[in-house]
Amino acid sequence: SQQGEEDPQALSIQEGENATMNCSYKTSINNLQWYRQNSGRGLVHLILIRSNEREKHSGRLRVTLDTSKKSSSLLITASRAADTASYFCACKAAGNKLTFGGGTRVLVKP
Amino acid sequence: DGGITQSPKYLFRKEGQNVTLSCEQNLNHDAMYWYRQDPGQGLRLIYYSQIVNDFQKGDIAEGYSVSREKKESFPLTVTSAQKNPTAFYLCASSNRPQGAGGANVLTFGAGSRLTVL
Repeated sequence: SQQGEEDPQALSIQEGENATMNCSYKTSINNLQWYRQNSGRGLVHLILIRSNEREKHSGRLRVTLDTSKKSSSLLITASRAADTASYFCACKAAGNKLTFGGGTRVLVKP
Repeated sequence: DGGITQSPKYLFRKEGQNVTLSCEQNLNHDAMYWYRQDPGQGLRLIYYSQIVNDFQKGDIAEGYSVSREKKESFPLTVTSAQKNPTAFYLCASSNRPQGAGGANVLTFGAGSRLTVL
């Protein structure tokens, strides 16, 4: 069973706009990670947020975590055409495996 | 450059045939994983190995087999018992076995696309 569920499933924006996607999970987690996948390629790790953290930044990426709501969000600011990809959240519970959600497909139009 | 190499990139199989996907890493990672991805879907764990000569079933192990004779290598065999093998297969590794209390960041290969004719 999948721990993380992303929303929306697909997102289309203009270059320069911000893109926000959400991830909800069911059980307590140790950390939550976000990965990017370009079409037909492997996944690339973007950012990790631990259960005792509420917000992290990395370049144009901002991740929040709300453990009371069991949800996380990924914000990409000032999007570029190169940000076009699928984005996955992955949840790690203590003692358990890393479980991936179904992903959000992001299209950034020039 | 350190990384994970998967081969072949594309593979075609006739029904009833076994095929083996290769995964090699030079990151000196202890743990290695195989995931399956269907179109428009997330990743599902097939098998994982935390140490040489040891591996565990993931969520969808039926019809697959693995070996871990060397730290660098974790080949996946898709057997004829796998009824719907057409998918994108991803190999990954990490420097800490899953189940440890700390962070566990995966490094992925570029994937192998298997098509059954």
